[in-house]
Amino acid sequence: GAGVSQSPSNKVTEKGKDVELRCDPISGHTALYWYRQSLGQGLEFLIYFQGNSAPDKSGLPSDRFSAERTGGSVSTLTIQRTQQEDSAVYLCASSPRASNTGELFFGEGSRLTVL
Amino acid sequence: QKEVEQDPGPLSVPEGAIVSLNCTYSNSAFQYFMWYRQYSRKGPELLMYTYSSGNKEDGRFTAQVDKSSKYISLFIRDSQPSDSATYLCAMSFLQGGSQGNLIFGKGTKLSVKP
Repeated sequence: GAGVSQSPSNKVTEKGKDVELRCDPISGHTALYWYRQSLGQGLEFLIYFQGNSAPDKSGLPSDRFSAERTGGSVSTLTIQRTQQEDSAVYLCASSPRASNTGELFFGEGSRLTVL
Repeated sequence: QKEVEQDPGPLSVPEGAIVSLNCTYSNSAFQYFMWYRQYSRKGPELLMYTYSSGNKEDGRFTAQVDKSSKYISLFIRDSQPSDSATYLCAMSFLQGGSQGNLIFGKGTKLSVKP
């Protein structure tokens, strides 16, 4: 595929369960980002990968959140012991390089609902 | 005070109108300014970006940055129903080895009525 692919597109889970969200970036893009978009809150930065390392994970809201990237490609965002306030759309983006110019290519997001 | 302020709207205009969307910011260190467009249930897509102050035009879209006022604008001429979307401003710092951490506004929801 030509674009950033995210799965699942929708996830409904019960409070306390763990969830995994997957992102497949555009081939050749070395930089990968996770953002969270809550209703009325705009986009909130979570974590940035350059290759397989995460130089900036300052946006992860708590230690229940973790992310990894393998092979410089696919990334997984894991949320443990989900809470209702974790309900949001989780957006992944990639770019050819770490960029100040905002050239991020976003996926369509994974919509998480915690009951 | 939030780093980036953006009126969430909604903004409703008739087809053909000129639309003005705006953001203000507090941190004078921002150097790059972007506008993203997000259709419902889709990811944001980059519409325009500018570096430092000035204007940039692309078709019906014009982006303006006034660093002295810490104010950025996006103008849409001859607006079309297909322009109906949420418009997010974003900005970032000029840093060596930057991680590309963009600070986004909350977005303005625009509806263009036929």
